Amino acid sequence: NAGVTQTPKFQVLKTGQSMTLQCAQDMNHEYMSWYRQDPGMGLRLIHYSVGAGITDQGEVPNGYNVSRSTTEDFPLRLLSAAPSQTSVYFCATSAGTDTQYFGPGTRLTVL
Amino acid sequence: GESVGLHLPTLSVQEGDNSIINCAYSNSASDYFIWYKQESGKGPQFIIDIRSNMDKRQGQRVTVLLNKTVKHLSLQIAATQPGDSAVYFCAEKHLGNEKLTFGTGTRLTIIP
Repeated sequence: NAGVTQTPKFQVLKTGQSMTLQCAQDMNHEYMSWYRQDPGMGLRLIHYSVGAGITDQGEVPNGYNVSRSTTEDFPLRLLSAAPSQTSVYFCATSAGTDTQYFGPGTRLTVL
Repeated sequence: GESVGLHLPTLSVQEGDNSIINCAYSNSASDYFIWYKQESGKGPQFIIDIRSNMDKRQGQRVTVLLNKTVKHLSLQIAATQPGDSAVYFCAEKHLGNEKLTFGTGTRLTIIP
């Protein structure tokens, strides 16, 4: 049981490039979400999904797209990266109870 | 608007002493609160939670206290150890709504 996995661990992009951050879970959790964490700040919600085929925006959704075709996977897409998107990205899941479980994070730098 | 904030950004505690980390919230409708621990380079790790119908909840070496009158939450860590060094976040949500609102975090440093 791997829990929540995220790939890649580190990524450097140039402004304007696109990429997808992967998140996978093997706990059969319905709820999945993406957060970004900037220095000295708490986590801010980007997008979330309450189940396959359902996604919604969080606090800071601009510049990011998501889809949820399966229960296990919830990829986060940056269509045209900007330096303001330099951050650490965390994926989290929960079973519909209150506790959310976080992945190890992806550290993204946009030059 | 709703917000979750921490009183102190940093806290240094002697090894073996007890630590108390505080958190204030402004949304009186919040009914569920969580404490997370985040070690360097890792994702947040669940420590303990408490519902608004409780005042106190204890775990292993940790206790969370909730004062709804003044909208204050605290995390007490007994007999702190070097492994307790981390950033601690409080978060709040409404039951049935999976969205978490996080505070900015308190960095706990254990002095040997």
